[in-house]
Amino acid sequence: DAGVIQSPRHEVTEMGQEVTLRCKPISGHDYLFWYRQTMMRGLELLIYFNNNVPIDDSGMPEDRFSAKMPNASFSTLKIQPSEPRDSAVYFCASRTGHTEAFFGQGTRLTVV
Amino acid sequence: DQQVKQNSPSLSVQEGRISILNCDYTNSMFDYFLWYKKYPAEGPTFLISISSIKDKNEDGRFTVFLNKSAKHLSLHIVPSQPGDSAVYFCAASDVYGNTPLVFGKGTRLSVIA
Repeated sequence: DAGVIQSPRHEVTEMGQEVTLRCKPISGHDYLFWYRQTMMRGLELLIYFNNNVPIDDSGMPEDRFSAKMPNASFSTLKIQPSEPRDSAVYFCASRTGHTEAFFGQGTRLTVV
Repeated sequence: DQQVKQNSPSLSVQEGRISILNCDYTNSMFDYFLWYKKYPAEGPTFLISISSIKDKNEDGRFTVFLNKSAKHLSLHIVPSQPGDSAVYFCAASDVYGNTPLVFGKGTRLSVIA
């Protein structure tokens, strides 16, 4: 397996624009997580899915953030409208059962 | 409130010596603890884990120690190598294993040749 695949690797966008981050989890994994890394807060959980169903989105900072998982092999994280304070590295991770989570390489988002 | 704390943002160690990274947690429900290593421009990668039924787990140069009564764990790297220079994250999850990993803020380790 190629591991967790995220796209794009880098995204630069203007304030107010919509941004969509994409993730393909490892095949067979039933949990998918979206994390955001910032200097101030470290790695913080935004939302996670189990068997494509959102379980906890309490980490999503605002209504501007939304996430979907239409099937077991694809998830998106959308920010609309984007703001400069959303600039961070966004990671997707997947796992099965009570095991370690495997991370993608991340998307570095810059909102100018 | 931070449930997993890594109080040292950075650590510098000479090559060949021992690196000790520390982590504290507050949630008594945590029973599974992990360490991840992260290089720049890459995602975190799993390094080693420990279940609460153990107090030590070893994998090559890496050993994790767990002190449940103190709610403290540590990662020992012996001997340290320049390639170990990275950010190390401590993570934990609860007894049911169905919740996400909660991460500390990380410790940047620099191994000096």
